[in-house]
Amino acid sequence: GAGVSQSPSNKVTEKGKDVELRCDPISGHTALYWYRQSLGQGLEFLIYFQGNSAPDKSGLPSDRFSAERTGGSVSTLTIQRTQQEDSAVYLCASSEPGVGYNEQFFGPGTRLTVL
Amino acid sequence: KQEVTQIPAALSVPEGENLVLNCSFTDSAIYNLQWFRQDPGKGLTSLLLIQSSQREQTSGRLNASLDKSSGRSTLYIAASQPGDSATYLCAVRRGAQKLVFGQGTRLTINP
Repeated sequence: GAGVSQSPSNKVTEKGKDVELRCDPISGHTALYWYRQSLGQGLEFLIYFQGNSAPDKSGLPSDRFSAERTGGSVSTLTIQRTQQEDSAVYLCASSEPGVGYNEQFFGPGTRLTVL
Repeated sequence: KQEVTQIPAALSVPEGENLVLNCSFTDSAIYNLQWFRQDPGKGLTSLLLIQSSQREQTSGRLNASLDKSSGRSTLYIAASQPGDSATYLCAVRRGAQKLVFGQGTRLTINP
């Protein structure tokens, strides 16, 4: 079946502009995660959605970052007033519902470059 | 705070060799550990998931072990091939659902 998809695959923007990154999880996966991968920082957690529960936003680096998940499926990560340090690959992952701690499946990522 | 370390940072071996990648973590109270592969410019591909109650998992030429009490995991790759060249990442999961990643080991298999 289809895996996690993300769009766009690449985004180049100017400092100060807002950007939106999209994630389509695997059908039926109720858990959705955003991570960021940057040089020198490795992969770091940003935000987690599980069903209708309040999201875990503990990894968001500043209030310029926000995310929403509509209808329990598609998620959008928004970065306002982008800075050069926001340049990174943004990865989305999803996992199955149910008890236990399930395997996370990752999308191909969106490479964001802030000029 | 959970910290994950992978050693070595880079490894280059001739084709056909068996090899071991190491992962260590500071907090043994984990729920599971996941090994991933990442090709240049690509996302992460899940290789193996070991639950905290398990000691090892196998998939083809890959075998991952977990020693939770000592905070260590190893990924064993048998009969390495050039197509195995990639960055290998380990990640641990605790109650917060998020994964905490190591910095990865960049593996090169020379034909």
